[in-house]
Amino acid sequence: GAGVSQSPSNKVTEKGKDVELRCDPISGHTALYWYRQSLGQGLEFLIYFQGNSAPDKSGLPSDRFSAERTGGSVSTLTIQRTQQEDSAVYLCASSLEHSSYEQYFGPGTRLTVT
Amino acid sequence: GNSVTQMEGPVTLSEEAFLTINCTYTATGYPSLFWYVQYPGEGLQLLLKATKADDKGSNKGFEATYRKETTSFHLEKGSVQVSDSAVYFCALSGYNQGGKLIFGQGTELSVKP
Repeated sequence: GAGVSQSPSNKVTEKGKDVELRCDPISGHTALYWYRQSLGQGLEFLIYFQGNSAPDKSGLPSDRFSAERTGGSVSTLTIQRTQQEDSAVYLCASSLEHSSYEQYFGPGTRLTVT
Repeated sequence: GNSVTQMEGPVTLSEEAFLTINCTYTATGYPSLFWYVQYPGEGLQLLLKATKADDKGSNKGFEATYRKETTSFHLEKGSVQVSDSAVYFCALSGYNQGGKLIFGQGTELSVKP
């Protein structure tokens, strides 16, 4: 079946602009995660959603970052007033349920802030 | 706290050589352990996993055994191929980690013909 998809695959934006990154999880997966992969910081957890529960936002680096998940499926990660240090690959993952711990990743969105 | 430490890369091997990539961890509770692989230009793929002590995960000729006594999960393959060239990430997750994956820093493997 279809895996996790993300769009766009690449995004170049100017410092100070807002960006939206989209994730479509695997159909039927109830848990959805966002991670960030950057040269200096490796792979970092950002936020996760599980069903209708309140999201765990403990990994978001600042209040410029937010995410939502509509209808228990598609998720959008929004970065406001982008900074150069936001340049990274943003990865989305989903799992059948939160307690299974086995996550499947999308191809990522490479964000470059100029 | 929770953390994963991998051997430094890059690792360069000749085709058919034996591969070991060391991974040790610190964790509360009893997490599951994973190896993910990232091929050039692609996303992370789950390579193998182990959910409890002494479990052995295996896939595509790769193996790793969950060693609780040494808090290790070393990745091994008996005979590497050029197509195995990638970055390998060791990770853990479990109830005490809130279901989040905690990753090591990654080890780049380059296999030469």
